[in-house]
Amino acid sequence: AQTVTQSQPEMSVQEAETVTLSCTYDTSESDYYLFWYKQPPSRQMILVIRQEAYKQQNATENRFSVNFQKAAKSFSLKISDSQLGDAAMYFCAYRSGANFGNEKLTFGTGTRLTIIP
Amino acid sequence: GAGVSQSPRYKVAKRGQDVALRCDPISGHVSLFWYQQALGQGPEFLTYFQNEAQLDKSGLPSDRFFAERPEGSVSTLKIQRTQQEDSAVYLCASSLAVRGGRGTDTQYFGPGTRLTVL
Repeated sequence: AQTVTQSQPEMSVQEAETVTLSCTYDTSESDYYLFWYKQPPSRQMILVIRQEAYKQQNATENRFSVNFQKAAKSFSLKISDSQLGDAAMYFCAYRSGANFGNEKLTFGTGTRLTIIP
Repeated sequence: GAGVSQSPRYKVAKRGQDVALRCDPISGHVSLFWYQQALGQGPEFLTYFQNEAQLDKSGLPSDRFFAERPEGSVSTLKIQRTQQEDSAVYLCASSLAVRGGRGTDTQYFGPGTRLTVL
């Protein structure tokens, strides 16, 4: 079974600074996808960024980018120019690429990010 | 267009009561997932539907949990004889899931139902 580990329960960053959230995972599969989801206090989970394992290029979405190290099974999220609206729980998630259609996600325990004005 | 909606947003039940949680996925989405999120934890998979077919229920914690999606759209998660350990937020997610469609596997989540069992 796949596992996802987020070793930082809480992180804080000054507004406009850069912060990196860590995630490691364990799998024996070669085809998979990785995601970062954001969950604000309102509870609605929002996709931040996704990475296909077969792609060597790291995904980026505006101020959000990942550092995907496949051999090390590491998938960190970098948030640049942090904004107050970035405050939330961030979850790293894994999905097997083996079964089309059953894209169930395996989540880590989350990192609570606080933005300091 | 409307996102995934769930009702009720909050539910308080006495131990032993039955509850029913509703999920309205995004129109046209083929895949529907239920997750359970305990306090301070990440969501954990419960069950998965492709249209009306329940293809994976491996995450349901006991036979007290039952889910259905009879017409391939709205889904209901039912918990019988609720126990205190059932207290959690129940999240529903849906995805378009078009074979070969890049990104169509993206799951869109609802706001969840917070269940408290007293």
